[in-house]
Amino acid sequence: GDSVTQMEGPVTLSEEAFLTINCTYTATGYPSLFWYVQYPGEGLQLLLKATKADDKGSNKGFEATYRKETTSFHLEKGSVQVSDSAVYFCALGGGTSYGKLTFGQGTILTVHP
Amino acid sequence: GAVVSQHPSRVICKSGTSVKIECRSLDFQATTMFWYRQFPKQSLMLMATSNEGSKATYEQGVEKDKFLINHASLTLSTLTVTSAHPEDSSFYICSAIVPNYGYTFGSGTRLTVV
Repeated sequence: GDSVTQMEGPVTLSEEAFLTINCTYTATGYPSLFWYVQYPGEGLQLLLKATKADDKGSNKGFEATYRKETTSFHLEKGSVQVSDSAVYFCALGGGTSYGKLTFGQGTILTVHP
Repeated sequence: GAVVSQHPSRVICKSGTSVKIECRSLDFQATTMFWYRQFPKQSLMLMATSNEGSKATYEQGVEKDKFLINHASLTLSTLTVTSAHPEDSSFYICSAIVPNYGYTFGSGTRLTVV
């Protein structure tokens, strides 16, 4: 079945540091890939997405590129801020026909001033 | 747009009682809604998929008699945790598919059973 593996956390960075959170997946067909962010006590918010190979999703300075050859969708940001502290989830969904999402285990990011 | 309103945000109940969690789509019709459970510092696990007007489809290992899902209208889906026990304490999140947009999530319900 489909699965998503994220790098283990927690990740602790200083403000303005470079961020990478690795995500790899296993899926049949051509899934869409997502990054969601969850702030303490809240639900999930879509951060960015990519629907096909080589697509780059970007939002709020975060980027991720859908790499079919390496089955990866790593999240990057060039300069993190304290307000980026949250839990980040990589997820995949079933291609163009929406179905259930399969989530990675989540990575806790803490950014210190 | 594309908002799912989930209530309550927090609930504490006594062991053996039942708790109902509601998710309402505010500005779209949610034909399909997903219910997830999240344990502390862990990922979201899909519990069930509900479709308006039909029975919910439960994931393997989820007790359908314990977690009752009702999706009686295109704007409302409910999850009732029956005869709750401390091990049911968790964070429950609903999600809906928004036409031409994708997924949107409720803000979650923190259930504590004492």
